[in-house]
Amino acid sequence: GAVVSQHPSWVICKSGTSVKIECRSLDFQATTMFWYRQFPKQSLMLMATSNEGSKATYEQGVEKDKFLINHASLTLSTLTVTSAHPEDSSFYICSAAGYNEQFFGPGTRLTVL
Amino acid sequence: DQQVKQNSPSLSVQEGRISILNCDYTNSMFDYFLWYKKYPAEGPTFLISISSIKDKNEDGRFTVFLNKSAKHLSLHIVPSQPGDSAVYFCALRPSGSARQLTFGSGTQLTVLP
Repeated sequence: GAVVSQHPSWVICKSGTSVKIECRSLDFQATTMFWYRQFPKQSLMLMATSNEGSKATYEQGVEKDKFLINHASLTLSTLTVTSAHPEDSSFYICSAAGYNEQFFGPGTRLTVL
Repeated sequence: DQQVKQNSPSLSVQEGRISILNCDYTNSMFDYFLWYKKYPAEGPTFLISISSIKDKNEDGRFTVFLNKSAKHLSLHIVPSQPGDSAVYFCALRPSGSARQLTFGSGTQLTVLP
């Protein structure tokens, strides 16, 4: 399957700071990428759909001003958690859309103190 | 309202035996069905998929069955191996969507040596 990387793999930050997470599709061009969030022992919850060259589409209940998504190229999408608070602590996972499957990155563990 | 349900949060199976993971859905508009495997603190890994025009797809030890009339999807692993221990998610894609997936809540499979 395709390779998708995420950076950083984990990050600890202070409340009120912003954190940027990168998602890269390493071996194919992805016009569409997705950002998910997973709480412990729960399913993956889709946050937003990132489309190259256009604005992201956010799921209901996800604040677009808090979770900024940029998909500037066919191989890179970034998620910036702005003014992070402890309740934003979670496991964030991106995926790149293939023809039928999605290929997932390894995830980023965010801890906000 | 959950469109995709995995009613068993956990399953334990003896090594060498068959593991059967189940997934039920309510929306008839799903046309592509996938199974992902996930280890802790990692992104999901694609396992096997099936389109709505088929009722069975086999790949090595993994077989996916689709019963459209019952809106039921299952994954069979035989023989089960200790390395199969992980969380398994079913993921469904509605027809005509931008390749978005709706995930079940996951089943923790433990294969006992």
